[in-house]
Amino acid sequence: QSVLTQPPSASGTPGQRITISCSGSTSNIGSNTVTWYQQLPGTAPKLLIYNDNQRPSGVPDRFSGSKSGTAASLAISGLQSEDEADYYCASWDDSLDGHVVFGGGTKLTVL
Amino acid sequence: QLQLQESGPGLVKPSETLSLTCTVSGGSVSSSGYYWGWIRQPPGKGLDWLGSIYYSGNTYYNPSLKRRVTISVDTSKNQFSLKLTSVTAADTAVYYCARQDQSILAGAVRDWFDPWGQGTLVTVSS
Repeated sequence: QSVLTQPPSASGTPGQRITISCSGSTSNIGSNTVTWYQQLPGTAPKLLIYNDNQRPSGVPDRFSGSKSGTAASLAISGLQSEDEADYYCASWDDSLDGHVVFGGGTKLTVL
Repeated sequence: QLQLQESGPGLVKPSETLSLTCTVSGGSVSSSGYYWGWIRQPPGKGLDWLGSIYYSGNTYYNPSLKRRVTISVDTSKNQFSLKLTSVTAADTAVYYCARQDQSILAGAVRDWFDPWGQGTLVTVSS
């Protein structure tokens, strides 16, 4: 049972815009920033979004992040086949002396 | 550019201690402002943070694993290590090391892992 809640799956067709949600609480998303990671099949996770909505160099602007209260979202516009991957949200949790928490992950399928 | 590489036994017996090392190249574990972390992923499952260390030796751990996890750093070798005691089949996972960027702005913790190592599969079995 993950501290952050994500839908287990999402899907879309090429060119479509999809969103993936991440729900938390006041001790994590409600107090601290959200990070998103992309994990392509058989590879290590890669930083996709940090500080709620910042993209590292090299990440296309088709990827965007947002946050409101204790929930965050990842949006992917102009969906491409290479976007098929697992997506994880993460945040710092202030409880129990502080620790990192992850969502359970969302498997995105491009139809 | 900064690269991380995990190394260690791929097979560990139940009740024994899992030991892994992460070697950092293209940068220094002594860089101020960065922690160095361990994250694992059981087969077919999600990510689970184990703990992190600063070059000074300051550590923090996943509360659910705190009794079994120890992370250490060797600045002379530019490495940091993970020890997980009393392992069971539930500890079978791909183990990743990563650099952790953490800061506080207006009371909010900003925290992310980048880059990650390629990961190493550790199987717990007799």
